[in-house]
Amino acid sequence: EAQVTQNPRYLITVTGKKLTVTCSQNMNHEYMSWYRQDPGLGLRQIYYSMNVEVTDKGDVPEGYKVSRKEKRNFPLILESPSPNQTSLYFCASSSRGNTEAFFGQGTRLTVV
Amino acid sequence: SQQGEEDPQALSIQEGENATMNCSYKTSINNLQWYRQNSGRGLVHLILIRSNEREKHSGRLRVTLDTSKKSSSLLITASRAADTASYFCATDAGLGRNTGFQKLVFGTGTRLLVSP
Repeated sequence: EAQVTQNPRYLITVTGKKLTVTCSQNMNHEYMSWYRQDPGLGLRQIYYSMNVEVTDKGDVPEGYKVSRKEKRNFPLILESPSPNQTSLYFCASSSRGNTEAFFGQGTRLTVV
Repeated sequence: SQQGEEDPQALSIQEGENATMNCSYKTSINNLQWYRQNSGRGLVHLILIRSNEREKHSGRLRVTLDTSKKSSSLLITASRAADTASYFCATDAGLGRNTGFQKLVFGTGTRLLVSP
């Protein structure tokens, strides 16, 4: 089954404690991206990657890092989380061209 | 940056009625997509309409695109309680540099409630 898998689904952490949210896709998609969803703001892109070792900033990259060492994986790293990073995070993947994006189930992060 | 703005923000209807949601955007696009999100879960792709298309159908869904007005509408006919969800439009203006990859910019969504 074609899917994007995120882990964990829920995470509560404390300010400053480094964390990683993993994302994996099984569709051999070149393009992967991370979004955060906040009430009233819709989804905003954090980072994206067009291929292995090719990443770039989206619209709200501050406080986040990503890596793309393998085509299927695209982890999101928060080196020093802060309460304003409390949000619902989604990973998505797609192939080149006018195609749909496939989304993971989301990771609800709370930073206290 | 936010491009798509959905209208209305919330819509409440009875089963069997039609639901219409509108989306306006600001810049030229390659395509426009509609997604559905059940409460707190991942987004699911519903339909994609290219910039050179004016109307598209998929089952009970009908999407229109007016590039001159920079607007789109999603019509769900004969709605069911299971259609209760948030609906988002996403515009793709491309990543540029002839990459062939999309950059989706989402609106804030329309919350649809369909009562039995």
